[in-house]
Amino acid sequence: DTAVSQTPKYLVTQMGNDKSIKCEQNLGHDTMYWYKQDSKKFLKIMFSYNNKELIINETVPNRFSPKSPDKAHLNLHINSLELGDSAVYFCASSQDAGNEQFFGPGTRLTVL
Amino acid sequence: AQSVTQLGSHVSVSEGALVLLRCNYSSSVPPYLFWYVQYPNQGLQLLLKYTTGATLVKGINGFEAEFKKSETSFHLTKPSAHMSDAAEYFCAVTRRSYSGTYKYIFGTGTRLKVLA
Repeated sequence: DTAVSQTPKYLVTQMGNDKSIKCEQNLGHDTMYWYKQDSKKFLKIMFSYNNKELIINETVPNRFSPKSPDKAHLNLHINSLELGDSAVYFCASSQDAGNEQFFGPGTRLTVL
Repeated sequence: AQSVTQLGSHVSVSEGALVLLRCNYSSSVPPYLFWYVQYPNQGLQLLLKYTTGATLVKGINGFEAEFKKSETSFHLTKPSAHMSDAAEYFCAVTRRSYSGTYKYIFGTGTRLKVLA
């Protein structure tokens, strides 16, 4: 059973398009996150939700919008994709915001 | 401000040699400390964590780390490297703020290469 799953695993798209990445966790956790990992492996937190409420919103362009329909899901929608958005995006969850995080397998986004 | 510094973005060791990956943190209050490992094309997974109690923490795959408050360090060690240890390793710190929220800070990562 996959604890944290993301779809799609790979996403190749043109500049200017809008795309979404979905994340689901079956661990019963209260907190979920989105991270961006660049080509140098630097991991940057983008958003954090606790019980469907946004608790961390780092300096991220408005083109990125997270949506949490319920505690088990946290989706990421990206408008007007740019070349610089190319990266691996990781979803993660934890029981509470200070504890161990469980990561999904990542979504590799390539913007052409 | 809270930060995490991992010394050495790349570390190479011979198979069977000691692995030492360094992590220093800055925090005005005792933090929670973590080490994560990322194998190629995978997400991060927890190796070990320190919250309270014993300062020497044992994790999976033979790794351990020691919390040294006086040195603000949480270095990761393994007595004998195995080829399968080749991966990216991340140190992370988190602590609870006065407002009750937590913030996770990841280090920039150290790529471990194991030489045959």
